[in-house]
Amino acid sequence: AQTVTQSQPEMSVQEAETVTLSCTYDTSESDYYLFWYKQPPSRQMILVIRQEAYKQQNATENRFSVNFQKAAKSFSLKISDSQLGDAAMYFCAYRSRGADGLTFGKGTHLIIQP
Amino acid sequence: DAGVTQSPTHLIKTRGQHVTLRCSPISGHKSVSWYQQVLGQGPQFIFQYYEKEERGRGNFPDRFSARQFPNYSSELNVNALLLGDSALYLCASSLAMTGGHSNQPQHFGDGTRLSIL
Repeated sequence: AQTVTQSQPEMSVQEAETVTLSCTYDTSESDYYLFWYKQPPSRQMILVIRQEAYKQQNATENRFSVNFQKAAKSFSLKISDSQLGDAAMYFCAYRSRGADGLTFGKGTHLIIQP
Repeated sequence: DAGVTQSPTHLIKTRGQHVTLRCSPISGHKSVSWYQQVLGQGPQFIFQYYEKEERGRGNFPDRFSARQFPNYSSELNVNALLLGDSALYLCASSLAMTGGHSNQPQHFGDGTRLSIL
């Protein structure tokens, strides 16, 4: 079974600064998808960014980018120019190509200091 | 367009009771998945349904069941409720599947907060 590990229970960053959230995963598969979801106190899980394992190029979405290291099974999220609205729980998630259920990490609570 | 909608938003039950949670997917989405999120943890996959058939199941007991209707909405049923079933239950939908599995991301609803007394 796949596992996803987020080793940072909580991170704090000054507004306008850059922060990187870590995620590692364990799998024996070669083809899969990785995601970062954001869950604010309103509790809706919002997709931030996704990466397909067969693509070597790191995904980017505006201020959000990932550093995907397939051999190291690492998938970190970088948030540039942090904004107060970025404050939330961030979850890293894995999905096999041959399945539809997501496997989530335990999450990282991101605090933005004004 | 409306997102994934779930009802009710909050629910309080006692041990041993039964509960039904409901989910309407985004228009055009035919795949629905259910997750359980215990406080302080990431969501755990319970079920995935596509075209009214179960296509995936997580490690949950038989007390948990689900179904999908012709309009692609879905219900999650939990029997003989335990204190440990207290959690946020999330529903997610995604576009049609290709070759039996979806390469589209899942979009989540706001969840149903279930409290067991």
